[in-house]
Amino acid sequence: DTAVSQTPKYLVTQMGNDKSIKCEQNLGHDTMYWYKQDSKKFLKIMFSYNNKELIINETVPNRFSPKSPDKAHLNLHINSLELGDSAVYFCASSQVLAGSQFFGPGTRLTVL
Amino acid sequence: QKEVEQNSGPLSVPEGAIASLNCTYSDRGSQSFFWYRQYSGKSPELIMFIYSNGDKEDGRFTAQLNKASQYVSLLIRDSQPSDSATYLCASLLSGGYNKLIFGAGTRLAVHP
Repeated sequence: DTAVSQTPKYLVTQMGNDKSIKCEQNLGHDTMYWYKQDSKKFLKIMFSYNNKELIINETVPNRFSPKSPDKAHLNLHINSLELGDSAVYFCASSQVLAGSQFFGPGTRLTVL
Repeated sequence: QKEVEQNSGPLSVPEGAIASLNCTYSDRGSQSFFWYRQYSGKSPELIMFIYSNGDKEDGRFTAQLNKASQYVSLLIRDSQPSDSATYLCASLLSGGYNKLIFGAGTRLAVHP
């Protein structure tokens, strides 16, 4: 009965590869988010979707492309991976836009 | 650039003491504030949110907000070793941006 789940938990890949991270929430929430937490532990928002509509699109490289096939899912595709993309990526959801957010377990991405 | 500032710590307190975690924010229009706890290698989990000036209590946790001073704090009474974690403060950016700005977190160490 996991509330917000992400796959995979770990992702190790070579520079230049393309990879995807998947997120699902079973809380019935309307809003989903992607965050990046770097080695200094700063948690920074990348994207948010509300009812499948893109609401926040921070200044992230356009190699990052989110997709929300439905309200319960938000995926993140990353093209041409770079060393600086290494971080932990968290998915989160909230019942309403700007409400209390609940985080998934994270995906630790390592680019070699 | 709107910011949330926290002392990185570590804040070391003995078991049973009150731990006081502090946070300041630069967005004067911000109305909503959140405290998250993050254990090492885990995802942030919501502890409390506060919208109004004053104190809000939930079990051993008390959040305090002073909008005039742009200051938020979290008090943990009867601190336990299991409270040892990084505590993240977040403010909801004003102006309809619908995004949370996180501080870098304060590491709390409760020693027996």
